[in-house]
Amino acid sequence: QVQLQESGPGLVKPSETLSLTCTVSGGSISSYYWSWIRQPPGKGLEWIGYIYYSGSTNYNPSLKSRVTISVDTSKNQFSLKLSSVTAADTAVYYCARVMVAANYYMDVWGKGTTVTVSS
Amino acid sequence: SYELTQPPSVSVSPGQTARITCSADALPKQYAYWYQQKPGQAPVLVIYKDSERPSGIPERFSGSSSGTTVTLTISGVQAEDEADYYCQSADSSGITFGGGTKLTVL
Repeated sequence: QVQLQESGPGLVKPSETLSLTCTVSGGSISSYYWSWIRQPPGKGLEWIGYIYYSGSTNYNPSLKSRVTISVDTSKNQFSLKLSSVTAADTAVYYCARVMVAANYYMDVWGKGTTVTVSS
Repeated sequence: SYELTQPPSVSVSPGQTARITCSADALPKQYAYWYQQKPGQAPVLVIYKDSERPSGIPERFSGSSSGTTVTLTISGVQAEDEADYYCQSADSSGITFGGGTKLTVL
């Protein structure tokens, strides 16, 4: 059974770059899309972007100028970089597997990792 | 992209039926998906393609669609169903979530 685990710093300074990695275990990263989603404290879910195992990407237009998602198939990992962070980027960040069946949706999620932006 | 609108909250007594709606502002409507999120936990997919139920999800969870509105129905609500529920859809510009509905079991 596929499992996802987010990892990365829990504290990032304002104006710096947030970097997270999602490790996929129990299955191959190949042939799937993979996504990052975040949830600010007390608020709803926000899609950040997704990447196909081959490297093609699609980002949330509201974050596109600051987001880079990459994949490393040799390590069965994909990563998120969010630049020029502010306190508004404080959130729980989830990675998830994306299924494509007439549309895109997430069927397996990581437990999430909390990232706080503060000096 | 387009918006998905959900009621902020729904309350029901145990054993009753809860209905949570999700309205899209765009036509044609894309398929909708529903997630359940309990406090401190990651979301869990409970309905896909408007009305399909993943394996392991209780039969009391069902979904339906009419026009540009989809509905998540929980029949015979149990205390353990108290959670936030999010609808989700997608188009060429990406993935969109509704604002979420807090289901309270009285």
